[in-house]
Amino acid sequence: SSELTQDPAVSVALGQTVRITCQGDSLRSYYANWYQQKPGQAPVLVIYGKNNRPSGIPDRFSGSSSGNTASLTITGAQAEDEADYFCHSRDSSSNPVVFGGGTKLTVL
Amino acid sequence: QVQLQQWGAGLLKPSETLSLTCAVYGGSLSGYYWSWIRQPPGKGLEWIGEINHSGSTNYNPSLKGRVTISVDTSKNQFSLKLSSVTAADTAVYYCVRTRRIVGAPRQNYFDYWGQGTLVTVSS
Repeated sequence: SSELTQDPAVSVALGQTVRITCQGDSLRSYYANWYQQKPGQAPVLVIYGKNNRPSGIPDRFSGSSSGNTASLTITGAQAEDEADYFCHSRDSSSNPVVFGGGTKLTVL
Repeated sequence: QVQLQQWGAGLLKPSETLSLTCAVYGGSLSGYYWSWIRQPPGKGLEWIGEINHSGSTNYNPSLKGRVTISVDTSKNQFSLKLSSVTAADTAVYYCVRTRRIVGAPRQNYFDYWGQGTLVTVSS
């Protein structure tokens, strides 16, 4: 089972703000990175490190963290943001990589 | 623009060895780690392991013993072998460039992904 916990599904009205969360003890020490995955496609990095966006990622995507919870916020969600979102961090045990189970975002 | 192109057999029988190769275009293997990540149909992501251009590897402990990742710098390619496959190894396999987070040792992120290869294990 994943050591990063995400809500399985979240919905947001078009143009509204949505926060997708990721919980885990390792997040007290390590950053979370976030990936967007649309059906049939490879994941795309949207946030990495403290709150960095790769080139080409809209600035409506942002990341934050508090305690054992990391969050991906989409401010003004668009229809094209409908996708699965996965968090990723380092595991504090011997496995250096751990992923959350993913959150399916629906834009209404 | 970095591109990763991967290939390999898509249908295996139980106990066979999975073999995939990933070619890197538009960039060098040097200076990065290169990972394999898989995703069973309808499920989440699982990191398999990584390698750098010098051949230094790290593997997921849950798969260690069955996994071998190798690199061919002359071809700018890296490869995955997973032995003794079972139906549980059925997944889309991705090759991925791994970056270290600046100022955060031992932490990384995955910035370029291959197109994915569906590998099905079935008798």
